[in-house]
Amino acid sequence: DIQMTQSPSSLSASVGDRVTITCRASQGIRNNLGWFQQKPGKAPKRLIYAASTLESAVPSRFSGSGSGTEFTLTISSLQPEDFATYYCLQHNSYPYTFGQGTKLEIK
Amino acid sequence: EVQVVESGGGLVQPGGSLTLSCAASGLPFANFWMTWGRQAPGKGLEWVANIKGDGSEKHYVDSVNGRFTISRDNAKESLYLQMNSLRAEDTAVYFCSSGGHMDVWGKGTTVTVS
Repeated sequence: DIQMTQSPSSLSASVGDRVTITCRASQGIRNNLGWFQQKPGKAPKRLIYAASTLESAVPSRFSGSGSGTEFTLTISSLQPEDFATYYCLQHNSYPYTFGQGTKLEIK
Repeated sequence: EVQVVESGGGLVQPGGSLTLSCAASGLPFANFWMTWGRQAPGKGLEWVANIKGDGSEKHYVDSVNGRFTISRDNAKESLYLQMNSLRAEDTAVYFCSSGGHMDVWGKGTTVTVS
């Protein structure tokens, strides 16, 4: 199975900060990666697919990059509604696997 | 707008069975892969299983393979997850999502094995 190692596991930041979350795959997955946002008690929402393509209606302050084994999710200027938990998902080979999550908290 | 709505969760004893359902709308259902995921209390997300649009291909995470069966009824635009030999570690919120890569998610249905 492909292991997805997400870092950091938690992060404290302030409104307006730029933050970056990283996912590393245990083997190459090309660009077969998505990023998801989950708020407490809610369903996850996909933000980015194919590593760098923004879902429609997702604000442009979110961006994704990477290919192969290293991927990043960047939020250019944190807004209050962005405080949530973020997950990456590899869908290159079965079983698909999520990173363990990054909880983004208000400083 | 794509929507998926799960149902069928509940409390079941270890070793018991349960079938979850997912009703989909707003997409050409028969052309879409569909996926089940889950989240144990206080834990992260886990991919569980997916199924091709015509039902000809199915994949499972190892921990449920042989116990869970994913299926679909394209005429009813519905997805199912038959869960047998349930264990305490299967306790989770189960999510249905459209697409093979989990495009749009439902709100989930809670399964408690106790």
